[in-house]
Amino acid sequence: QAQLVQSGAEVKKPGASVKVSCKASGYVFTIYNLHWVRQAPGQGLEWMGTIDPGAGSTSYAQKFQGRVTMTSDTSTRRVYMELSSLRSEDTAVYFCARGRSGRSKYPFDYWGQGSLVTVSS
Amino acid sequence: EIVLTQSPGTLSLSPGDRATLSCRASQSVTSSYLAWYQQKPGQAPRLLMSRASSRATGIPDRFSGSEAGTDFTLTISRLEPEDFAVYYCHQFGNSPDTFGQGTKLEVK
Repeated sequence: QAQLVQSGAEVKKPGASVKVSCKASGYVFTIYNLHWVRQAPGQGLEWMGTIDPGAGSTSYAQKFQGRVTMTSDTSTRRVYMELSSLRSEDTAVYFCARGRSGRSKYPFDYWGQGSLVTVSS
Repeated sequence: EIVLTQSPGTLSLSPGDRATLSCRASQSVTSSYLAWYQQKPGQAPRLLMSRASSRATGIPDRFSGSEAGTDFTLTISRLEPEDFAVYYCHQFGNSPDTFGQGTKLEVK
């Protein structure tokens, strides 16, 4: 059974950076992409970007270009999402989710539990 | 990017009723790559439909999906108490992925 386990809650000051991790288990790590989706309090879901954990290739939503960096570590089966220049509007729960890209796309069938990031002075 | 517009914003029904949720895309969705999720408070979303009309693994058959051009529909044939939640559509055929704004299904 696939499982994604994320790092814990963070409180950051405006202008700082945050790095959230997502540890995968129970499936072949390099076959699936991992995506990051965030949800501000009381709001909907927002796709931030994705990483191919094996190749390290990434694709980011234009809104986050220049502020987000997604990386992977195949030895520990972890992916990371770092968001810089934080502002109050970045306060949200950040989810990692497994999906498949390429010829046989598949949506997000497994999700992490979410990591709350609070940006406050 | 493809904009997904869900309607209604809130749907008030009773257990045993039939629910019909709509998701309209601003342009054609490649290969019917349109998924539906259910989200309950404090939880991660749960995949219901992996493509417009394909149920994901373990999803009961009271959930069904359909597609007519750029209009997608999620139907719940007979509502169970556990079905009251927020539902999102998601297109993953064109980059960037996008989500609808959600439909809240509440108890009448």
